[in-house]
Amino acid sequence: EIVLTQSPGTLSLSPGETATLSCRASQSVSSIYLAWFQQKPGQAPRLVIYGASSRATGVPDRFSGSGSGTDFTLTISRLEPEDFAFYYCQQYGSSPITFGQGTRLDIK
Amino acid sequence: QVQLVQSGAEVKKPGASVKVSCKASGYNFNDYYLHWVRQAPGQGFEWMGWIIPNSGGTTYSRKFQGWVTMTRDTSISTAYMELRSLKSDDTAVYYCARGDVLKTYEYWGQGTLVTVSS
Repeated sequence: EIVLTQSPGTLSLSPGETATLSCRASQSVSSIYLAWFQQKPGQAPRLVIYGASSRATGVPDRFSGSGSGTDFTLTISRLEPEDFAFYYCQQYGSSPITFGQGTRLDIK
Repeated sequence: QVQLVQSGAEVKKPGASVKVSCKASGYNFNDYYLHWVRQAPGQGFEWMGWIIPNSGGTTYSRKFQGWVTMTRDTSISTAYMELRSLKSDDTAVYYCARGDVLKTYEYWGQGTLVTVSS
């Protein structure tokens, strides 16, 4: 099973700043199969990034994903108030499908 | 538009079973795998398995093998997830999600809260 470790656990930033979220895998993940989800309280997750760097439909271009192998990054530039939420990475190339434990992005 | 609509919240006693439904619309039900994922309160996500609507074939996470069953009724574009022998730590929101080889879970159901309590 591929274990995904996200850091930091909580990130406190102000609107307008840039958030950098990390996802590290216990073994190599094909970039094609690395995704990021955003989740707000009481809501289902929303796909933000798939294939490590492709934005999902309707996702603003201030969201970008990068990385390969075991290290992946989600960058959110020019933070807007609606961006403050939980973010989870997921690998879906190897069974079982696994998720990171999440990063909470808080308003400072 | 693509929609996945799940059945309502359930309260069950330990040892009971629960069956959650997920009705798909806005696309050809047979064209995409249907996955089930759960999220315990304040926790992350746990993948449970998938069903292939076309054939009914299933793949379950090793953790859930033997106590989860995923089925579907193609005539009404609905998938089902049944979990047996419930324990208190099965209390979670259960989600269905449409699986895509490249885009993973682009569409999710709204979630079904299952509470297991005596």
